[in-house]
Amino acid sequence: AQTVTQSQPEMSVQEAETVTLSCTYDTSESDYYLFWYKQPPSRQMILVIRQEAYKQQNATENRFSVNFQKAAKSFSLKISDSQLGDAAMYFCATWGYSGGGADGLTFGKGTHLIIQP
Amino acid sequence: DAGITQSPRHKVTETGTPVTLRCHQTENHRYMYWYRQDPGHGLRLIHYSYGVKDTDKGEVSDGYSVSRSKTEDFLLTLESATSSQTSVYFCAISPQGGQNIQYFGAGTRLSVL
Repeated sequence: AQTVTQSQPEMSVQEAETVTLSCTYDTSESDYYLFWYKQPPSRQMILVIRQEAYKQQNATENRFSVNFQKAAKSFSLKISDSQLGDAAMYFCATWGYSGGGADGLTFGKGTHLIIQP
Repeated sequence: DAGITQSPRHKVTETGTPVTLRCHQTENHRYMYWYRQDPGHGLRLIHYSYGVKDTDKGEVSDGYSVSRSKTEDFLLTLESATSSQTSVYFCAISPQGGQNIQYFGAGTRLSVL
């Protein structure tokens, strides 16, 4: 079983600044994956970034990057040059291979990101 | 939107009535999932499917059943809706299971009065 903890219910950042959203997780699986999803007010779930646990290199997607600390079971999301369109709920999620291969994702409770103009 | 259609988008029903939510995909992906989203809980897995007629329970499956008679359709049924099932329901699809990207539908907002 996996658990995901997002300790920041809400974060606020000035436009063009950098913000980091925290996520810690727990898993007994040796083979697992980590995700950040964005949910804007439209309610659509949008994948932001994905990290494979066996890869030491941190994933990057344009202005979005992660700091993956495997030993600490930490997976934070850094958003650089914040834009108004980044305002949303952000969910950290994990998937661990428990033999079946089909299990769903385990999500944290989310962080509400506010962008101040 | 990755070829996923959820219907209906909104539904209001009364306690004790049966409700069926539909997820339809045009991607021919093998894996399909139903999640519910409640304030303070993030998304939680209800049921999932790894092929036609192959389904299994997730974390919060009590009170729900699913069926998948065709690759493209995954139905979620509340046999007798309760107020605790008021939620937003999301369908997701994936070509290779959980380790790959899951693409989500737009969600169905269900209110049980």
